[in-house]
Amino acid sequence: DAGVIQSPRHEVTEMGQEVTLRCKPISGHNSLFWYRQTMMRGLELLIYFNNNVPIDDSGMPEDRFSAKMPNASFSTLKIQPSEPRDSAVYFCASSSARGLAVHGETQYFGPGTRLLVL
Amino acid sequence: DAKTTQPPSMDCAEGRAANLPCNHSTISGNEYVYWYRQIHSQGPQYIIHGLKNNETNEMASLIITEDRKSSTLILPHATLRDTAVYYCIGKGERAQKLVFGQGTRLTINP
Repeated sequence: DAGVIQSPRHEVTEMGQEVTLRCKPISGHNSLFWYRQTMMRGLELLIYFNNNVPIDDSGMPEDRFSAKMPNASFSTLKIQPSEPRDSAVYFCASSSARGLAVHGETQYFGPGTRLLVL
Repeated sequence: DAKTTQPPSMDCAEGRAANLPCNHSTISGNEYVYWYRQIHSQGPQYIIHGLKNNETNEMASLIITEDRKSSTLILPHATLRDTAVYYCIGKGERAQKLVFGQGTRLTINP
């Protein structure tokens, strides 16, 4: 299995531009997570989906951020407009939630997208 | 989810056992202890998890105290590739969210 795939791996953009990050979860996994990592705040959960439905988006910083999961094999995280403080590494992770047995699930992380907003 | 406390950094000699402590004194009865690690510039990687009993897999061993207020992750024969930040996380039985703290930066020295 190729693991979680994220694209692009690096993104440099200017303030005000729209940024779209993409994630392909591991085939067969039904949960998908978006995290952001910065030196100041560490690794934070932004949002997660179960069966393509957003379950908890309380970590999304503000309305400039949006995430979608149109099908089981693809998700996007969009920032519009981007700001310099959005510069971070964004990780996508997936897992196979087994209903009540979720305690045993393992999250598999992608390689991350390094975003720099100038 | 239980708050966990870890030392910010540790050093270990290559080939020796690395013992990483974690305090989780507020952990509740149905919360599991998870360990992940993050090697530089990579995404976090699952290592092991447990509830009450000690656990062992191909990567590490997890020793949980009888009162469950603390645990130790053991890398039995540390290699240079084990240099990473190690995160101890308390997660409820039905919870899906992982709440990462600052972790322990483990450096394996040759």
